Amino acid sequence: EPEVTQTPSHQVTQMGQEVILRCVPISNHLYFYWYRQILGQKVEFLVSFYNNEISEKSEIFDDQFSVERPDGSNFTLKIRSTKLEDSAMYFCASKHGGYTFGSGTRLTVV
Amino acid sequence: TQLLEQSPQFLSIQEGENLTVYCNSSSVFSSLQWYRQEPGEGPVLLVTVVTGGEVKKLKRLTFQFGDARKDSSLHITAAQPGDTGLYLCAVGDDKIIFGKGTRLHILP
Repeated sequence: EPEVTQTPSHQVTQMGQEVILRCVPISNHLYFYWYRQILGQKVEFLVSFYNNEISEKSEIFDDQFSVERPDGSNFTLKIRSTKLEDSAMYFCASKHGGYTFGSGTRLTVV
Repeated sequence: TQLLEQSPQFLSIQEGENLTVYCNSSSVFSSLQWYRQEPGEGPVLLVTVVTGGEVKKLKRLTFQFGDARKDSSLHITAAQPGDTGLYLCAVGDDKIIFGKGTRLHILP
């Protein structure tokens, strides 16, 4: 069964550093998303991406965040200068009809 | 105030018992989804309900969408340890809004 693949599975970074979280969506999907889940809290929408541009973003997705689809297969989330409160599971998802989520990247900011 | 209220928050029952968990809102939705999430994994879509009053079955899981399309329930018959997980209801066609979930633990 096709999967959404995320790398790395875990990332530890120092506060203020830039991180790039990578995702390979399912190949025939056209809609891509990032969500995050802070430990013990609900899954929250960050951003949706379609036709090489952001279609919607949440209040969480401020100027420190950016997304990119640099080639035909990868979809990345960049956090420019990480804060402690960015520590969370970050899930990539793609959609063609129904959603498929990746297994997530656990980001820990220290 | 949460858009989607799920209850109970936690449920621990013995293997073989039946259970029902709920997802409620004051808003009307065109559709509603149920996901299951295991620790360290992303949510996995179980079902989407679209029509008011609709009932969908997935093996021992029965999903119902309320007549007014404001609420939904998930009933599990003869629960098994493999049913353990976080059950999330969610709404939205593009951007998804999730409930906080019901954490279910089935004791062998």
